[in-house]
Amino acid sequence: AQSVTQLDSQVPVFEEAPVELRCNYSSSVSVYLFWYVQYPNQGLQLLLKYLSGSTLVKGINGFEAEFNKSQTSFHLRKPSVHISDTAEYFCAGRMDSSYKLIFGSGTRLLVRP
Amino acid sequence: EPEVTQTPSHQVTQMGQEVILRCVPISNHLYFYWYRQILGQKVEFLVSFYNNEISEKSEIFDDQFSVERPDGSNFTLKIRSTKLEDSAMYFCASSIQGNYGYTFGSGTRLTVV
Repeated sequence: AQSVTQLDSQVPVFEEAPVELRCNYSSSVSVYLFWYVQYPNQGLQLLLKYLSGSTLVKGINGFEAEFNKSQTSFHLRKPSVHISDTAEYFCAGRMDSSYKLIFGSGTRLLVRP
Repeated sequence: EPEVTQTPSHQVTQMGQEVILRCVPISNHLYFYWYRQILGQKVEFLVSFYNNEISEKSEIFDDQFSVERPDGSNFTLKIRSTKLEDSAMYFCASSIQGNYGYTFGSGTRLTVV
């Protein structure tokens, strides 16, 4: 069955430190991958997406992600986080011929001063 | 930047009552979706809609649920007889094509009492 896995439910990090949020997806013939951020009591905001082409994708707010087909991963990174990055981050994928997005369970990024 | 608009932002209803959640997708988008997020859980796909018909639905989307695009701009989700377990945040989304980024609305928080 198609799936997206986020192994880390919470990632605490100090301000200005780098961070990586992990995401793995089930192997598929074709895959489109997305990272969304959700601030408390708000909707889902698209951070970045991988549709095709370059495996390194840059998004908003200084985030980037790398698509790795051999490891079926799409990890999100930021070289220096801010307090305002504290939020829930969801990895999502659209696989094969389906148009639905499959979401991971989310990772809460907690940035401490 | 174009937005997906959802109304109301919060709805409280009694168990057994019918509710209609409303969404105005981005005007040139062709694919429409409903997702839900039970408090503290992952975002789950409910249904996708294209060319005035359901293109895909999940096992959650049973006979109690229906969707409609009544006037070419609104996209609605109806729950015929609400249950306590229908309490969740419901997100509408749209995309210009199935393989591009999905834009989400800010959600309707449905509370069934």
